[in-house]
Amino acid sequence: SQQGEEDPQALSIQEGENATMNCSYKTSINNLQWYRQNSGRGLVHLILIRSNEREKHSGRLRVTLDTSKKSSSLLITASRAADTASYFCATAGRTQGGSEKLVFGKGTKLTVNP
Amino acid sequence: ETGVTQTPRHLVMGMTNKKSLKCEQHLGHNAMYWYKQSAKKPLELMFVYNFKEQTENNSVPSRFSPECPNSSHLFLHLHTLQPEDSALYLCASSPTPGGYYEQYFGPGTRLTVT
Repeated sequence: SQQGEEDPQALSIQEGENATMNCSYKTSINNLQWYRQNSGRGLVHLILIRSNEREKHSGRLRVTLDTSKKSSSLLITASRAADTASYFCATAGRTQGGSEKLVFGKGTKLTVNP
Repeated sequence: ETGVTQTPRHLVMGMTNKKSLKCEQHLGHNAMYWYKQSAKKPLELMFVYNFKEQTENNSVPSRFSPECPNSSHLFLHLHTLQPEDSALYLCASSPTPGGYYEQYFGPGTRLTVT
């Protein structure tokens, strides 16, 4: 399916450590997006990486995309307690009906301990 | 969350009540969305609007009735809801429908149906 699956489902690290989250999907995509959600709030867009790109950076965030393996990873370096949130990958692609859709995974819950 | 507002932030309603959720975006986007987020489930797309026209309805029960009077405002009218409809309802917008661009989310309305 187009839906991405994040791995792990939950991750707990110490402040200052790096956090890596992975996303795998099964169909071809136009782009893959990562979002963050603090508890009970709306989602905030982090990075969009298109299918012809392999890596993107934004501050302490690094996203890679391997279309041959149908997978992406989000790396947060030098984590802070404020990075505690759920992180979702979302894949954009054509549905069987021809429309383009953004489909979200179930997310990885990251806890950064002070 | 900046640029997309939602009211109310919290709503408790009985199964026989009628209420409405409101969303407003100040980003000049053409597409607006309603999502439902339940515990331990992926984000579920409910409705998509493009230039005030509904372009997608993902088999949402008729007790949820969307309205888009213009490209900046989106409503979700609720009536005779069920307890399983309790969830976080998120509004989002993007320049065009689908997944080509990132989506901007509001803070959500936490709905509890008693």
